[in-house]
Amino acid sequence: DQQVKQNSPSLSVQEGRISILNCDYTNSMFDYFLWYKKYPAEGPTFLISISSIKDKNEDGRFTVFLNKSAKHLSLHIVPSQPGDSAVYFCAASFSGGGADGLTFGKGTHLIIQP
Amino acid sequence: DAGITQSPRHKVTETGTPVTLRCHQTENHRYMYWYRQDPGHGLRLIHYSYGVKDTDKGEVSDGYSVSRSKTEDFLLTLESATSSQTSVYFCAISIRVKLTSGPSTDTQYFGPGTRLTVL
Repeated sequence: DQQVKQNSPSLSVQEGRISILNCDYTNSMFDYFLWYKKYPAEGPTFLISISSIKDKNEDGRFTVFLNKSAKHLSLHIVPSQPGDSAVYFCAASFSGGGADGLTFGKGTHLIIQP
Repeated sequence: DAGITQSPRHKVTETGTPVTLRCHQTENHRYMYWYRQDPGHGLRLIHYSYGVKDTDKGEVSDGYSVSRSKTEDFLLTLESATSSQTSVYFCAISIRVKLTSGPSTDTQYFGPGTRLTVL
């Protein structure tokens, strides 16, 4: 049973517009959520995170929103740039940061169109 | 750059042979992890370590063993490789960061990966 779900395998967005990537989770005990970006043949790169005590965290062009009642989080990228084309993974942990390991979604392939 | 290296970066082997993958870190982080990534599955935790000689199983540990005899090295061993273990393997370490708002948390940083093919 998948505890972290990314239901869109791919997403195409025009350069300069907003990209919104979605993630749902089923386990209410998750208390820390992270987004990773992955290029082909490289390891995942940490992008942004949010604690369950917050509903928003912002870092430059990237904002993560958390809706605990809906068990849903989203990553907003504004404005989208060609270098943002990558696979994005949503991840969650129980232990305030992943000491016991992270649970990942299957990823969303974001394609930024010129 | 979290100072993580993985070796080898690519390996092709045959079914039934033993394989060991190495993860090396340079900054004395306590927690280390092994994940595998497969199409349609995202990343899944195999094993992790919380100190020298201290390890625990993850979601997909069957067929794998690990060892950590010193802080900087975390080894993943496939005792008898099978075709289902063809995958990309990522090592990670956990670093405590202070969020701009909220408590300190542990964030995982990943190595470059090892692509293993079992024929």
